Amino acid sequence: LAKTTQPISMDSYEGQEVNITCSHNNIATNDYITWYQQFPSQGPRFIIQGYKTKVTNEVASLFIPADRKSSTLSLPRVSLSDTAVYYCLVGGGYGGSQGNLIFGKGTKLSVKP
Amino acid sequence: DADVTQTPRNRITKTGKRIMLECSQTKGHDRMYWYRQDPGLGLRLIYYSFDVKDINKGEISDGYSVSRQAQAKFSLSLESAIPNQTALYFCATRGASGYEQYFGPGTRLTVT
Repeated sequence: LAKTTQPISMDSYEGQEVNITCSHNNIATNDYITWYQQFPSQGPRFIIQGYKTKVTNEVASLFIPADRKSSTLSLPRVSLSDTAVYYCLVGGGYGGSQGNLIFGKGTKLSVKP
Repeated sequence: DADVTQTPRNRITKTGKRIMLECSQTKGHDRMYWYRQDPGLGLRLIYYSFDVKDINKGEISDGYSVSRQAQAKFSLSLESAIPNQTALYFCATRGASGYEQYFGPGTRLTVT
C-alpha cells in the first residue's frame, strides 16, 4: 500500500507562501495524488489533485516530480483562514484500487498574523 | 441542504451495545465510503461501496459491518461496540467520473 508521510505541523505568517511536502515512495502507476483541507469539527474538503508535473487551480498548486515519490502542495499568500489540517491522499484514481485509499496523518498548518 | 448528511451527529453508547451510523447523499454518486478519524492518526478507510451490490473492506474493517440500502444510503454498524471504537466517523461520496470525495459533517461516537 502506498503510505504517505507529511510533517506533523508547520507555522507561517499571513501573506507568505506555504509549501507542504508529502512523501509516497510506494505510489502505484495508477494512483493519483489528492490533497484535502480539514477545519475542526468538519469533514475534509478537496483542494487539488494531480498525477504528474504541475497542477494549478484558484486556491493552490501541486508539484509532482517525475518519479512521483513525493508531491508538494503550495498555498500562495496564506491568510488566517488557511489555518487547518492538510491531508495528502494517494490512490483512488481511474483504474486504481479504491481499497488503496491512504490518507497521511495530516499537517497542521498554523497561520499567524 | 447539505449534500452528504450523517446521523446521529453525536452518540454516547456503552460497551457491548449495537449501534448504527447512517449516511445519506443527494449527489447521485455511486461510490460511498466510511472513514474513522482518531487524533494523530488521520483518516482511515473502513469500508467502501461502488454500488448497491458492491461492498469492499478497507484498511480497518474488523469490528464493523456496512449495508448499502440504496444508492443514496450507506450505513455503518458496530455489532458490539468497544471503547477503542471511540472516534469521529466520516461518510464520503464520489462520482464514477470524478475524483473528488465529498465528506459529510461527521459523527462523534463515544463508547464507555
